[in-house]
Amino acid sequence: AQSVTQLDSQVPVFEEAPVELRCNYSSSVSVYLFWYVQYPNQGLQLLLKYLSGSTLVKGINGFEAEFNKSQTSFHLRKPSVHISDTAEYFCGSGAGSYQLTFGKGTKLSVIP
Amino acid sequence: SQTIHQWPATLVQPVGSPLSLECTVEGTSNPNLYWYRQAAGRGLQLLFYSVGIGQISSEVPQNLSASRPQDRQFILSSKKLLLSDSGFYLCAWSDRATEAFFGQGTRLTVV
Repeated sequence: AQSVTQLDSQVPVFEEAPVELRCNYSSSVSVYLFWYVQYPNQGLQLLLKYLSGSTLVKGINGFEAEFNKSQTSFHLRKPSVHISDTAEYFCGSGAGSYQLTFGKGTKLSVIP
Repeated sequence: SQTIHQWPATLVQPVGSPLSLECTVEGTSNPNLYWYRQAAGRGLQLLFYSVGIGQISSEVPQNLSASRPQDRQFILSSKKLLLSDSGFYLCAWSDRATEAFFGQGTRLTVV
């Protein structure tokens, strides 16, 4: 069975500072990994995904994530955040059939 | 291109009333379909998923049910709403679980 753990429920960060949102996964099979962003009262929008190949994945809005198989991690990073990045971020995994598993979310608050 | 429609966007219903939320997908065939509920601090709770017409799997026993009468239509229902059914409901579709595409969500308030 898959599981996804987001280690921080809330992350405050000053504008233009770097940020890392942490995600660990566990699975006995090969997985697909992704990050989604949710703005208030909206659905989830895909930021980036890892299927295979290069372990550094670049997504929209300047975000990137690195797949680390030995540490079973898929942390999301951005070198300089903007006020508009304030949102909730979800890490998730898929197992190539129907299973989709998400973490509990991390609320990113960008402080002016 | 594929699109997903979910409605209504907001809904206020009295306790004990029925519920029907609808989700439709365009531009793909035989998608996996999902209903999630989102409560504050609890992330995304998978309620139901479907891999085909008439095939519904429930992840959490509760006051809700789901149906898939057509390939690209997924309905979430309740015969009698409880206060605890309040929340943000999200429909999603996926092709082989490599990523999911979400609707805009329905904010349900049971009063």
